[in-house]
Amino acid sequence: ETGVTQTPRHLVMGMTNKKSLKCEQHLGHNAMYWYKQSAKKPLELMFVYSLEERVENNSVPSRFSPECPNSSHLFLHLHTLQPEDSALYLCASSQGRPFGGGSPLHFGNGTRLTVT
Amino acid sequence: GNSVTQMEGPVTLSEEAFLTINCTYTATGYPSLFWYVQYPGEGLQLLLKATKADDKGSNKGFEATYRKETTSFHLEKGSVQVSDSAVYFCALSDHSTDKLIFGTGTRLQVFP
Repeated sequence: ETGVTQTPRHLVMGMTNKKSLKCEQHLGHNAMYWYKQSAKKPLELMFVYSLEERVENNSVPSRFSPECPNSSHLFLHLHTLQPEDSALYLCASSQGRPFGGGSPLHFGNGTRLTVT
Repeated sequence: GNSVTQMEGPVTLSEEAFLTINCTYTATGYPSLFWYVQYPGEGLQLLLKATKADDKGSNKGFEATYRKETTSFHLEKGSVQVSDSAVYFCALSDHSTDKLIFGTGTRLQVFP
């Protein structure tokens, strides 16, 4: 039990499909994050939510749509993706102000997404 | 802007060898520094951190010292094990912008 659970672990989708990634944290944290991990690149921060309000959107294409219905759950809705969107998508959570005071991030195990 | 530079991998070692993974940073002000580890098939986990100059973070036999004069935070372990095989990420937390900036990661492979 990592404290941050992501489903599904693996997802293969065509470019015309619509799918959603789910993240749930059991740590009582109030900030949640979506990161994209591609080979040989630094982790790319996509979205940050604090107390269910989006506080960061790092110029992410609109084909990625986040949703945070409460402080324990975070979704990433996907539609009309491109093959270059294939990557590992990581969810994380932290306590307090996002990134503030050196608070560590707690990551889930990620969803390996393949777009065909 | 702020950035983190890590040595390219993979780093390949025999069990019980000494490990160093270099990390240098560029930042305005005084960031907090972190090492995260990602084991195969898993997300990242915080390994250790240091919040001010000359602090030493340590965990599971790993150590890193915050060196302001050389803007470095090199990761070391005296005797690696096969179970240490993973990808190691250096990161900094920029207090002025509250951003966490990761390096590209260094893969460590330890063979028996």
